Amino acid sequence: NAGVTQTPKFQVLKTGQSMTLQCAQDMNHNSMYWYRQDPGMGLRLIYYSASEGTTDKGEVPNGYNVSRLNKREFSLRLESAAPSQTSVYFCASSEAGADLSNYGYTFGSGTRLTVV
Amino acid sequence: DAKTTQPNSMESNEEEPVHLPCNHSTISGTDYIHWYRQLPSQGPEYVIHGLTSNVNNRMASLAIAEDRKSSTLILHRATLRDAAVYYCILRDVASNTGKLIFGQGTTLQVKP
Repeated sequence: NAGVTQTPKFQVLKTGQSMTLQCAQDMNHNSMYWYRQDPGMGLRLIYYSASEGTTDKGEVPNGYNVSRLNKREFSLRLESAAPSQTSVYFCASSEAGADLSNYGYTFGSGTRLTVV
Repeated sequence: DAKTTQPNSMESNEEEPVHLPCNHSTISGTDYIHWYRQLPSQGPEYVIHGLTSNVNNRMASLAIAEDRKSSTLILHRATLRDAAVYYCILRDVASNTGKLIFGQGTTLQVKP
């Protein structure tokens, strides 16, 4: 089925460990995004990539890095995990064009990360 | 980014219409109004969007005030599966990033 695929679905890390969250979309979308959602909260934008080859910081980029590997894939890396990064991470993609506001996002099912 | 204000929670009875309000008094002329919903333990799902005119699709209707400072998402017949958090978001066409900034949303409970 077409959509956004995130791996892994669940992960437990120890403080100080590193890991990369993977995201891939098969809808030929230009723009991709990483969000985090803490319990009982709305989503907060971490990083985004408006097009292949570009990345920009969102609302809460500290402690994260991203790579837009190609048009399909956008990864999020935690270099040294901290308990404050315990959250659910969502990847999303959208079409892009002259009128970017006119396109909806497609979200993945999320990665539930716990840092102990 | 212009902000939106939504009630924290609402309740509805099954098979009745639901009107979810959203205030966006600082909306600019280049902001589209987007609605997403998030079912429990799932990622957000696109519902509908509009600019000035009312919009209908298979999921819902969007009614936009004439001055565009408020809008209402209408679910015509609520089902138990419509219980979710509904987010009203402004998306600026003048920005070349297209990013969505989420607020707290409205938690909709549907009673059988």
